[in-house]
Amino acid sequence: LAKTTQPISMDSYEGQEVNITCSHNNIATNDYITWYQQFPSQGPRFIIQGYKTKVTNEVASLFIPADRKSSTLSLPRVSLSDTAVYYCLVGVVYSGGGADGLTFGKGTHLIIQP
Amino acid sequence: DGGITQSPKYLFRKEGQNVTLSCEQNLNHDAMYWYRQDPGQGLRLIYYSQIVNDFQKGDIAEGYSVSREKKESFPLTVTSAQKNPTAFYLCASSIVGILDNEQFFGPGTRLTVL
Repeated sequence: LAKTTQPISMDSYEGQEVNITCSHNNIATNDYITWYQQFPSQGPRFIIQGYKTKVTNEVASLFIPADRKSSTLSLPRVSLSDTAVYYCLVGVVYSGGGADGLTFGKGTHLIIQP
Repeated sequence: DGGITQSPKYLFRKEGQNVTLSCEQNLNHDAMYWYRQDPGQGLRLIYYSQIVNDFQKGDIAEGYSVSREKKESFPLTVTSAQKNPTAFYLCASSIVGILDNEQFFGPGTRLTVL
């Protein structure tokens, strides 16, 4: 089961680009990397998912090096509303049964200041 | 308007009582999940189900029970055997059959056992 390591907390300022790195040294061949965002007293919300190289959507980019042992979530031009906990998950749900990657660690508490 | 709902938002029970938390989805997802979140912690998987009438234990299933009689519904019962049931409970659903899956979360139920 792939284990992930993220910084416990990060601080930044409005308008800055924020990069949160997740380490997953024992990632398996079939594992995907997924990031979620969670606000207090709410369910997590999917941000982005990738397998290799770079993925970009309307809210974030995900950079995955060739060895896939780490990944970096990049949030461009953050605002106060981006203050939240960000979780990195690595794994896969198998259609035939069994599941890996359904473990949310403690995540990274990102605090954006004015 | 598709989504996943949990009720109630807040629930209070006396110690020793069983309590059932509701989770309903109209996203036509095959897979459903229950997580528990304690203050300042990540999410821990209690049970998951990939198809009607079938479910698997997650990391912390002791003291909990589930049923999956309908595709849309995945109720969680917190039994008196659960030693520390006060927590924030989150239900999620996803598509099954593909390796990458985005989980959609409900708003959560905060259970307090007095």
